[in-house]
Amino acid sequence: NAGVTQTPKFQVLKTGQSMTLQCAQDMNHEYMSWYRQDPGMGLRLIHYSVGAGITDQGEVPNGYNVSRSTTEDFPLRLLSAAPSQTSVYFCASSQDRISLFFGSGTQLSVL
Amino acid sequence: GESVGLHLPTLSVQEGDNSIINCAYSNSASDYFIWYKQESGKGPQFIIDIRSNMDKRQGQRVTVLLNKTVKHLSLQIAATQPGDSAVYFCAETSRDNYGQNFVFGPGTRLSVLP
Repeated sequence: NAGVTQTPKFQVLKTGQSMTLQCAQDMNHEYMSWYRQDPGMGLRLIHYSVGAGITDQGEVPNGYNVSRSTTEDFPLRLLSAAPSQTSVYFCASSQDRISLFFGSGTQLSVL
Repeated sequence: GESVGLHLPTLSVQEGDNSIINCAYSNSASDYFIWYKQESGKGPQFIIDIRSNMDKRQGQRVTVLLNKTVKHLSLQIAATQPGDSAVYFCAETSRDNYGQNFVFGPGTRLSVLP
């Protein structure tokens, strides 16, 4: 039982490049979400999904897209990377929408 | 607006002593309050939660206290150990807004001194 798996762990992009952050969970959780963590600002919700085929925006969705074609996977796409998207990104899943299970994070730098 | 904050950004305690980490919140409609622990290089890990209709909840070496009158939440760690060194986040949420309004505080760094 791996829990929540995120790849890659580190990524450096140039401004304007696109990429996809992968997230997979093997706990059959319906709820999945993406957060970004910036110093002194805690965790901020980007997008979330309450089940396959359903996604919705969180607090800071601009510049990011998501899809949920299966229960297990919830990729986050950066369409055109900007320096303001330099952050640590966490994927999380939950069964009860109260206790979140987080992945180990992706540290992204946009130059 | 809604906010979840912490009184102390850093806390240093002697190994074996008890630790108390505090958190203030402003949304009186929140149903659940949660504490997470984040070790260096890892994702946050769920510690304990408490419903808004409770004042106290205990886990293994941890106790969470909720004072709704002053909108204050605290996490008490008994007999603090080196492995407790981490950043601790409080968060609040409501079942009326599934997945939409987890509000996290900026975190408190707990350092355990030998």
